[in-house]
Amino acid sequence: QQQVKQSPQSLIVQKGGISIINCAYENTAFDYFPWYQQFPGKGPALLIAIRPDVSEKKEGRFTISFNKSAKQFSLHIMDSQPGDSATYFCAASERGSQGNLIFGKGTKLSVKP
Amino acid sequence: DSGVTQTPKHLITATGQRVTLRCSPRSGDLSVYWYQQSLDQGLQFLIQYYNGEERAKGNILERFSAQQFPDLHSELNLSSLELGDSALYFCASSVDPTHTEAFFGQGTRLTVV
Repeated sequence: QQQVKQSPQSLIVQKGGISIINCAYENTAFDYFPWYQQFPGKGPALLIAIRPDVSEKKEGRFTISFNKSAKQFSLHIMDSQPGDSATYFCAASERGSQGNLIFGKGTKLSVKP
Repeated sequence: DSGVTQTPKHLITATGQRVTLRCSPRSGDLSVYWYQQSLDQGLQFLIQYYNGEERAKGNILERFSAQQFPDLHSELNLSSLELGDSALYFCASSVDPTHTEAFFGQGTRLTVV
C-alpha cells in the first residue's frame, strides 16, 4: 500500500496557537518523510524533513514528531502566524528514491489574527 | 525562488490537442521529476529522469511522455488531451535521486477546453 493519509483536511487556528497536522503510512519501505508548504499559485516548498532513525526534528517554530511503530508522523507549528496560512502536504518516499514522493491530500491551514 | 524554472505558466488548449511543458532544473541538479496536481487526485508523481535517462515511472498515462536533454532541461509532452487532463503540472529537481531533497518549480497550469 503506497498511500499516505493526512488529516485534517482543513484547520483554523488563532494567532499564537499550535497547529497540528497528522499523517499515517503503511509502506515500511518508506524512509524519508518531508513536509511541504504551498501558497496559492506557487509550487510546494520543502519545509522540514525527517528520517525514521530519529523521533523528533525541530527547525524554528516547526517540529516533526515521528512514531515508527505506529507508522505515524506529525507536523507541529508553534506560535502560528497569519503568514503560515497555506496548504501543507506530508509525503514519503522509499530508500534510494527520495524525490519520488507519495503525497498526502493536504491540509489547508488558516491562522486567524 | 527554488531555482527550478517552468514555462509556460499558463496554457489553454482544446481537447485532442498536444502540448509541451518545459522545465529547467536548478543549476547542478541532475535529476528531474514531473508531478501532476489536481483537485481530485492531489499531487501525483508522474516520471523521473536522471542525467538524461528515465529512472522511474509513476502514474503517467500512455498519452503522456517526457524526456531530459543533454543540457538537463526536461520536457513533458501531453497528447490527445482530455478535459480531465486540466491540472497544475510541476517539475522538481534534485542533485541526485537518492539522498537529496527535491525542489519544485512554480508549475504550469493547463486548462483543456
